[in-house]
Amino acid sequence: SQQGEEDPQALSIQEGENATMNCSYKTSINNLQWYRQNSGRGLVHLILIRSNEREKHSGRLRVTLDTSKKSSSLLITASRAADTASYFCATNYNQGGKLIFGQGTELSVKP
Amino acid sequence: DAGVIQSPRHEVTEMGQEVTLRCKPISGHDYLFWYRQTMMRGLELLIYFNNNVPIDDSGMPEDRFSAKMPNASFSTLKIQPSEPRDSAVYFCATRGGPGETQYFGPGTRLLVL
Repeated sequence: SQQGEEDPQALSIQEGENATMNCSYKTSINNLQWYRQNSGRGLVHLILIRSNEREKHSGRLRVTLDTSKKSSSLLITASRAADTASYFCATNYNQGGKLIFGQGTELSVKP
Repeated sequence: DAGVIQSPRHEVTEMGQEVTLRCKPISGHDYLFWYRQTMMRGLELLIYFNNNVPIDDSGMPEDRFSAKMPNASFSTLKIQPSEPRDSAVYFCATRGGPGETQYFGPGTRLLVL
């Protein structure tokens, strides 16, 4: 399967702490994307990192990509209760539109 | 823009009935994707279209599932006959132009009794 694997499956932290989620994949990629899903809602795109990039920032989000290890991490700094959601990595393997999603990390941020 | 629109938002039906899920993509987006999400299997890509043409339907579980995109403004996913194991949340997502971000609709929560 080309599906990415994420860990941890669930993460519970206090408001203000940092949250780190990891994603591993199996074959060479074109890009890797992170999405967030609030309970009962559709997924929302957070950030995209290309195979020739190593790190990207967007507000409180920092994404790294290590193509030699076929892994990526998403760091959310200074977490807030509103960050409580499931976070998914998705990999694009070719120039087409297809994304393969991981199983997700369920993040709970306690106030 | 209203975003991706899906209907119905909730559907409860009995085994054996036909179910039709609908999606209106974001105007100008040329890719449309149908996903299914369950606790057991996560988020699975069922089929996707580019410029109304099906490109990859390898994720469609079986012949009971069919999808169409008669024009750039509308797509349907049909299950006939439906079975309890089809119970899931079905998402439509679209992508447009050079951007690679997918925009998801709110989903249709399907329960087959």
